[in-house]
Amino acid sequence: GESVGLHLPTLSVQEGDNSIINCAYSNSASDYFIWYKQESGKGPQFIIDIRSNMDKRQGQRVTVLLNKTVKHLSLQIAATQPGDSAVYFCAEYGNKLVFGAGTILRVKS
Amino acid sequence: DTEVTQTPKHLVMGMTNKKSLKCEQHMGHRAMYWYKQKAKKPPELMFVYSYEKLSINESVPSRFSPECPNSSLLNLHLHALQPEDSALYLCASGLAGPSEQFFGPGTRLTVL
Repeated sequence: GESVGLHLPTLSVQEGDNSIINCAYSNSASDYFIWYKQESGKGPQFIIDIRSNMDKRQGQRVTVLLNKTVKHLSLQIAATQPGDSAVYFCAEYGNKLVFGAGTILRVKS
Repeated sequence: DTEVTQTPKHLVMGMTNKKSLKCEQHMGHRAMYWYKQKAKKPPELMFVYSYEKLSINESVPSRFSPECPNSSLLNLHLHALQPEDSALYLCASGLAGPSEQFFGPGTRLTVL
């Protein structure tokens, strides 16, 4: 049965606060990274991406940081809103897209 | 049109049935993908089609058979599935190589 990894890590934030979701990736050869948001009953939705030759990229209310030295990726969401509640997946691309485990973001009003 | 559509939305099938999942996109993408997602897990790649040719098969059992009839359509034919194959099956499309992939809403499959 599924007793390992059944519970995704959860981040609970107050509406209006900033959120930071972290991800460790595994493949040093990965050269492209994406953050996806998945709401209940829907497929993953693209949020932001970053190439390995960059360490920071900003979008609308979101920022992705890449630290290749420690193979770490983070997603910062500014002024978190109830509509941001979802599961967030990082994904890395070496020769195919591989998703990380996911983090549940819960926004409290 | 910037979306990927999948039919059916839900499917219940017995272990002896044959069924097909369908996926369609009209964004001109030349790469299309099938992923399997179990509850509370990330999507896992099954197959990649690039320019209508199968380029990646992630050691998927032969009871799953993909087909790409043209650049806009992707099918997944199912036969003699097992209950552990119950999952959300996601289709995605994108430009070939490292680029954004657009996902459909998925087909929720239950195998009895």
